[in-house]
Amino acid sequence: DVKVTQSSRYLVKRTGEKVFLECVQDMDHENMFWYRQDPGLGLRLIYFSYDVKMKEKGDIPEGYSVSREKKERFSLILESASTNQTSMYLCATWDRVGQPQHFGDGTRLSIL
Amino acid sequence: RKEVEQDPGPFNVPEGATVAFNCTYSNSASQSFFWYRQDCRKEPKLLMSVYSSGNEDGRFTAQLNRASQYISLLIRDSKLSDSATYLCVVNNYGQNFVFGPGTRLSVLP
Repeated sequence: DVKVTQSSRYLVKRTGEKVFLECVQDMDHENMFWYRQDPGLGLRLIYFSYDVKMKEKGDIPEGYSVSREKKERFSLILESASTNQTSMYLCATWDRVGQPQHFGDGTRLSIL
Repeated sequence: RKEVEQDPGPFNVPEGATVAFNCTYSNSASQSFFWYRQDCRKEPKLLMSVYSSGNEDGRFTAQLNRASQYISLLIRDSKLSDSATYLCVVNNYGQNFVFGPGTRLSVLP
């Protein structure tokens, strides 16, 4: 079974803080993704990575950056947190065509 | 038109009922198809992949109609524990996954 672990289930931060969300997988998948999910808006892709040090912008990258220094770890960084970044953040991994994505437990982030 | 569309529901059905969800997608080149379930405030979990020939997993049956660009999920003998949101997910190419808005199901005692 694929195991995708996100560092925190719940996180509360203040406006202007730099926030790090971590995701670790144990299945050697090349591809990792960060999504946010908001009521009425569904899942939206922020960034994805297809290899170490490689990244691509998703649909809503503004205000975020990512880091993939090791294959198993993909970090999402909120450079200067704002209240509109309060959301559920989901990390996912993916192996190859025909296979599904596997999600971590999610991080509920509140920016006050 | 959205890439992946689903009836948002909610579908309120009694225990033991059979319920069917539909999903349509706009990209005729889409390659892979999946149904996920998502419980309130939890992550999406894979329910089943959808194959061209149709596939069944216990009480769940998935169908794909490529000509009509349509995917379905049938749940037989609904249980209270089936209450969740069901997401239709399409993989178009490479890393491009498109999620439907989800259909909410409530199974009532």
